Amino acid sequence: DVKVTQSSRYLVKRTGEKVFLECVQDMDHENMFWYRQDPGLGLRLIYFSYDVKMKEKGDIPEGYSVSREKKERFSLILESASTNQTSMYLCASSSWGGFGLQRSYNSPLHFGNGTRLTVT
Amino acid sequence: GNSVTQMEGPVTLSEEAFLTINCTYTATGYPSLFWYVQYPGEGLQLLLKATKADDKGSNKGFEATYRKETTSFHLEKGSVQVSDSAVYFCALSDKGYSTLTFGKGTMLLVSP
Repeated sequence: DVKVTQSSRYLVKRTGEKVFLECVQDMDHENMFWYRQDPGLGLRLIYFSYDVKMKEKGDIPEGYSVSREKKERFSLILESASTNQTSMYLCASSSWGGFGLQRSYNSPLHFGNGTRLTVT
Repeated sequence: GNSVTQMEGPVTLSEEAFLTINCTYTATGYPSLFWYVQYPGEGLQLLLKATKADDKGSNKGFEATYRKETTSFHLEKGSVQVSDSAVYFCALSDKGYSTLTFGKGTMLLVSP
């Protein structure tokens, strides 16, 4: 079974702190994603990566950055945490679903259990 | 752009009742469609999927049929159990380089 592990289940940080959320997957997946989940808003994509050292902005990248130095690890960084970044953060990974120009994200996402971050 | 709309919850049912959670989508291409489920305290996991029109995805007694003419992918189960209580997310993926677009989620609460 694919395992996606997020380093912390709960985090409490102060406004202005630099925060690192770590995610590791054990299935050699090419693609990794960071989402945040908020009541009434569902899941919103922050950043994703489809290769080592590659990153792409999602729908809400402002205030966040990411790092993918190794294939299995994808880190989300809050440069200066703010109270509006209090949320549940979900990491996910997937493999390529097709070949060549027909590559797609049809392969399922495998999610970690989430990190609930509170910024005070 | 792509979007997914699903019914607001919570949906409250008694055990053994019939379940329908509506999902409609807007997409520029011919997307693949998914239902994900999130049990309390856990991440999301794939429940079922359909990759082309008229496909039916099924798993654990849940079913959904890809209806291109109505742009819908409604989730159904004939007899729900307490253990089905969770949040259900409808999602789509365009062929190509796009990522998944999720609906806002529908909470299902099943009482004994």
